[in-house]
Amino acid sequence: EIVLTQSPATLSLSPGERATLSCRASQSVSSYLAWYQQKPGQAPRLLIYDTSNRATGIPARFSGSGSGTDFTLTISGLEPEDFAVYYCHQRAIWPRAFGQGTRLEVK
Amino acid sequence: QVQLQESGPGLVKPSQTLSLTCSVSGGPITSDNYYWSWIRQPAGKELEWIGRIHISGSTDYNASLKSRVTISMDTAKNQFSLMLTSVTAADTAVYYCARDRGAMGPEDYWGQGTLVTVSS
Repeated sequence: EIVLTQSPATLSLSPGERATLSCRASQSVSSYLAWYQQKPGQAPRLLIYDTSNRATGIPARFSGSGSGTDFTLTISGLEPEDFAVYYCHQRAIWPRAFGQGTRLEVK
Repeated sequence: QVQLQESGPGLVKPSQTLSLTCSVSGGPITSDNYYWSWIRQPAGKELEWIGRIHISGSTDYNASLKSRVTISMDTAKNQFSLMLTSVTAADTAVYYCARDRGAMGPEDYWGQGTLVTVSS
């Protein structure tokens, strides 16, 4: 079973700044890594799939990179609506799994 | 636009069976391109993938829950369902249903989620 470890647990930044979130897999997931955004009381929203592909309607300020075991979600120029919890997700190996999340909060 | 909506009891007694249904609109669950998944999230905790089903009848379950989980489909109603037996307080969570893109990608459309509390 793959374990996804996200860092940092909490990231405090101001609007306009650049956010860099990390996800490390316990073994290679190839490029099958996705990122979700979740706001309180809402379902997760798919942002990035297969490492670097933006989902439909996702702004260009969201980008993903990485391969194998180390992945990064970058949000360039934080907007007020970007402050939320972000989860990484792998679909390479059963069972599919999520990371424990990174909380992006307003500094 | 695909929409999913979970429904079912919000309170289940310990040792009983949790049953939820996901109603899908905006597209048929009989499409060969998609799987239909259940995912849960205990309060303040991370998401846990439960399992999924395909129109072919194929199912995949999280091994940690496999002995207690059954996912099924009702194509006439465009719904799929989750049954989780012998529940305990540890099964208290928000349960989400979602569309899984299979080989083409991860879960893309999600229901709003439904809270199920296990308590006597």
